[in-house]
Amino acid sequence: EADIYQTPRYLVIGTGKKITLECSQTMGHDKMYWYQQDPGMELHLIHYSYGVNSTEKGDLSSESTVSRIRTEHFPLTLESARPSHTSQYLCASSTLTGYEQFFGPGTRLTVL
Amino acid sequence: QKEVEQNSGPLSVPEGAIASLNCTYSDRGSQSFFWYRQYSGKSPELIMFIYSNGDKEDGRFTAQLNKASQYVSLLIRDSQPSDSATYLCAVKTRAAGNKLTFGGGTRVLVKP
Repeated sequence: EADIYQTPRYLVIGTGKKITLECSQTMGHDKMYWYQQDPGMELHLIHYSYGVNSTEKGDLSSESTVSRIRTEHFPLTLESARPSHTSQYLCASSTLTGYEQFFGPGTRLTVL
Repeated sequence: QKEVEQNSGPLSVPEGAIASLNCTYSDRGSQSFFWYRQYSGKSPELIMFIYSNGDKEDGRFTAQLNKASQYVSLLIRDSQPSDSATYLCAVKTRAAGNKLTFGGGTRVLVKP
């Protein structure tokens, strides 16, 4: 079944730890995105990719980095987590020309 | 001024009534407009998109677009308690590289 997956769904971690949030899609989409969303607030685009070896920074400045080595995989890494990184992180994908972005279930990150 | 603005609500409507949600956007070059529904703690899911002036109907949902006035609205007919959610307006602009810009969302509460 075509879908978009994120792991872990919940993560509580201490300050200074390195973390990687995983996102994979089996939809055959070229474009992938990472959004950050605080409770009750709008989604902010932090990274996106048009395809393999393509990564771009989004509208919201972020200390995270991403990579796109395989079409279906778009992990997000925080080298040193801080309490200000506490948020929900949503991964999405779309075709190059399609209208719809499909969202994964999200990772809720808490940094103590 | 935010690029995409929505009233945060909550918009309280009785069951069976029509819920009317509005969204205004600042970029006249915006081309495509999307309504996403997001249940609490869940990821957004697309309800409708519209790119031409006028109305577009899909079941109980109607999207209305007026590019001259730079607003897009969503009507939910025969509102059900299951429609209680946050509704996100998103706008795609060619100048922004066809990325989606989201509004802050309108929380809708449908009371039985």
